[in-house]
Amino acid sequence: GENVEQHPSTLSVQEGDSAVIKCTYSDSASNYFPWYKQELGKRPQLIIDIRSNVGEKKDQRIAVTLNKTAKHFSLHITETQPEDSAVYFCAASKRDTGRRALTFGSGTRLQVQP
Amino acid sequence: IAGITQAPTSQILAAGRRMTLRCTQDMRHNAMYWYRQDLGLGLRLIHYSNTAGTTGKGEVPDGYSVSRANTDDFPLTLASAVPSQTSVYFCASSDSEGAQPQHFGDGTRLSIL
Repeated sequence: GENVEQHPSTLSVQEGDSAVIKCTYSDSASNYFPWYKQELGKRPQLIIDIRSNVGEKKDQRIAVTLNKTAKHFSLHITETQPEDSAVYFCAASKRDTGRRALTFGSGTRLQVQP
Repeated sequence: IAGITQAPTSQILAAGRRMTLRCTQDMRHNAMYWYRQDLGLGLRLIHYSNTAGTTGKGEVPDGYSVSRANTDDFPLTLASAVPSQTSVYFCASSDSEGAQPQHFGDGTRLSIL
């Protein structure tokens, strides 16, 4: 089955700096890659996603890049703000005859220092 | 407000007891999922259902069962709870066609003593 690895496990940046979180996946058939943000005690919330027919997607300060050949994708947050502090999860899934569920990375705890 | 409702929000349970976690969605999504979240391990899939009347096993199904009698409800049952099932449980749903984002409930924090 799919295996998703996520790095780093913790990341501390100064307010205004950029943050980059990287994930690799094992199943070349995976075609959907969402990123979730989870604040302490809250539900995971989708912040951006990308499909395998696209190499990059941007939404204001957040961007995701996908390299299908290398099987890795990254989350980029620019001009970080204290409210960006949270745990971020990457995930991967594919459409097949069985489950369409997500396989998650182990998470990155981002701390933005004011 | 449209979304996913989970109940209870938290529960302390004695080992060996039976427990059902409830999940209801009003988005008419065909696919529903149960995940458990443990510190340092992210979210792991327990069971899933692609449509009403069908269910499937995820990564960590042992000790859990699910049913999907209708589109809206997807309860998760622990037949005989054990301490290793202490976790936060999230229900999620998604539209079934193609790769679609999943929407999560607020979770149930379960402690087995």
